[in-house]
Amino acid sequence: KAGVTQTPRYLIKTRGQQVTLSCSPISGHRSVSWYQQTPGQGLQFLFEYFSETQRNKGNFPGRFSGRQFSNSRSEMNVSTLELGDSALYLCASSSWGTREETQYFGPGTRLLVL
Amino acid sequence: GNSVTQMEGPVTLSEEAFLTINCTYTATGYPSLFWYVQYPGEGLQLLLKATKADDKGSNKGFEATYRKETTSFHLEKGSVQVSDSAVYFCALISAGFQKLVFGTGTRLLVSP
Repeated sequence: KAGVTQTPRYLIKTRGQQVTLSCSPISGHRSVSWYQQTPGQGLQFLFEYFSETQRNKGNFPGRFSGRQFSNSRSEMNVSTLELGDSALYLCASSSWGTREETQYFGPGTRLLVL
Repeated sequence: GNSVTQMEGPVTLSEEAFLTINCTYTATGYPSLFWYVQYPGEGLQLLLKATKADDKGSNKGFEATYRKETTSFHLEKGSVQVSDSAVYFCALISAGFQKLVFGTGTRLLVSP
């Protein structure tokens, strides 16, 4: 089974721009979660989608948003980028709903904001 | 709220040494516990997990036992290899929620 894939792997943007990151979950997984990893704050939960609905949201400003499509693929968007948004963005999928809580991660998208 | 505390690194060992990375947690109810590993430039890989008290997760020579009485999930390996050099994250997830709570990570450096 193919793993979680994320595109692009690397991005360089400037302050004020917006960015869209994409995540394709493991086939059959309907839950997709997003995390931000930075040296200062570690791994922090952004949000989780299940069947196209956002079920949980972390403590991030409204500039961070996401969505999920009917095929379970997910995108996250960050508008009005700030220097502090530079991070590794990780997507994880799980088959939650079948009593399986384990989340499997993709390789991440590394975003650099200049 | 839920939280995970890991020992600070880096942990520096010689090849074939015994490894312990301490992890304790605070959570309501009965969380599931995980160890993830991150190699340089990569995402997180699931190393092992345990879903209830006294469960032992194991994989690739690594083991961890879910100890509810001490709220701990310490990672151990009897003989580390250079290829085990990575950052290890302890994490928990509360039943019914798809939100992993991570520790700060522990960097392991193994020298030949």
